[in-house]
Parts: sequence; C-alpha cells; structure tokens
Amino acid sequence: QVQLQQWGAGLLKPSETLSLTCAVYGGSLSRYYWNWIRQPPGKGLEWIGEIKDDGSTNYNPSLKSRVTISIDKSKNQFSLRLRSVAAADTAVFYCARVAYCGSPGCSAFDYWAQGTLVTVSS
Amino acid sequence: DIQMTQSPSSLSTSLGDRVTITCRASQNINRYLNWYQHEPGKAPKLLILAASSLQNGVPSRFSGSGSGTDFTLTISSLQPEDFATYYCQQSYSSPYTFGQGTKLESK
Repeated sequence: QVQLQQWGAGLLKPSETLSLTCAVYGGSLSRYYWNWIRQPPGKGLEWIGEIKDDGSTNYNPSLKSRVTISIDKSKNQFSLRLRSVAAADTAVFYCARVAYCGSPGCSAFDYWAQGTLVTVSS
Repeated sequence: DIQMTQSPSSLSTSLGDRVTITCRASQNINRYLNWYQHEPGKAPKLLILAASSLQNGVPSRFSGSGSGTDFTLTISSLQPEDFATYYCQQSYSSPYTFGQGTKLESK
C-alpha cells in the first residue's frame, strides 16, 4: 500500500520561501508523476505542479515564476519550494501521486498525503 | 485554463437519499473527469476516474457518468460516512483544474 507523508514549516513571513517535502512509502517513484496541490481556507483545490522520476516538470502557469519541484530518488522523496510567499499563499498543501489509465489525458490523483497547513503572516 | 463548475455548492440531504452532483467543463474534455471525496482534516480520496470507472475499494453506491462537458456523480443511497465535500477534476489538459466543491450536509 502506497503512503505519502509530508512535512515542512507551517508558519512563514511574507517574502520567505515555502519548503515542503513528501516521502513515498510502499512504492517507487518510477513511472509516475508526483504532484503538489493546495487549498486556501474556504476555497477549492488548486494544482501547483508535478515532477516525473526523470526530473521533468510541469507547473501551473499561475505559479510557475515562483515554484520549483525537485525529486530525490535515493530517498524516495520529492519537494516543493515556493518563493516570495504572501498572505494569499496561506493554504493546506498536499502532495499526491498521479496514476495513468492508459490513454493521453486519462489520469487521476490516486494517493494523497494528509496535508500541511502553511500560514503566511507577518 | 479549463474552468470546472459544480452544482450545487451545498446540499442538505438525509440518510438513504439519492444524491446527484453535476460538473460542467468550459470545453470538451472527452471523458477525462475524476471525482474526489474530501473530509475535513483528511486526504482527498479518489472515487471515480475517467468519468465512470470506480476506483478500487470504493462502494458501488457511487457512480459517475457523462462525457464532453457535462458530468454527474451519483450516490444511490446516502450513508453516514458520505457527508463530505466532493470535487470534480479534469485531467484533459494542464493546468489540471478542480470544481469548487459540493458539500453534503445533514438535513
């Protein structure tokens, strides 16, 4: 059974860099895309970006200028960095795995971590 | 970006009710539509992928239908553990986008 466990700082000041790490247990990073998704308080889910085991990335254009997702296959982990945070970045952040169902465009987030609340406040 | 619009945003329901939630995409997304259940403080749970395929372990009272721009999630007989928020999500093209959610509340 695949499990994702994430951690990182929960309180940041404006202009600081958010850093979260997600460890994958019970499965390999290989052949999957690994994602970050966030949910601001009282709002819906927003996809941030993804990374494949070969290091290739795909980011939401709305955040692309501030986001870096990286992968460490030796530790079976992947990480998110979001630079220059502001109050609007306050959210619960989730890491998740994408599984593919055989045709281009056919995929879903099948495993998620519990989420980390990150608050940005001066 | 493809916009996903869910309705209703909330629904007062009772145990045993048949519940239907709709999701509309701003453009044709074929059948590349997924449904998730989200309870407060928990990880979202994948219920249905590719519009109608039930994820392993999900009870058969959940079903999905639709293609193109209009999709439906149906719960045939609401159980106590089904009171949660439900999200649709398109995987047709990046950036992957979600509906705003439908919260099921007890009447």
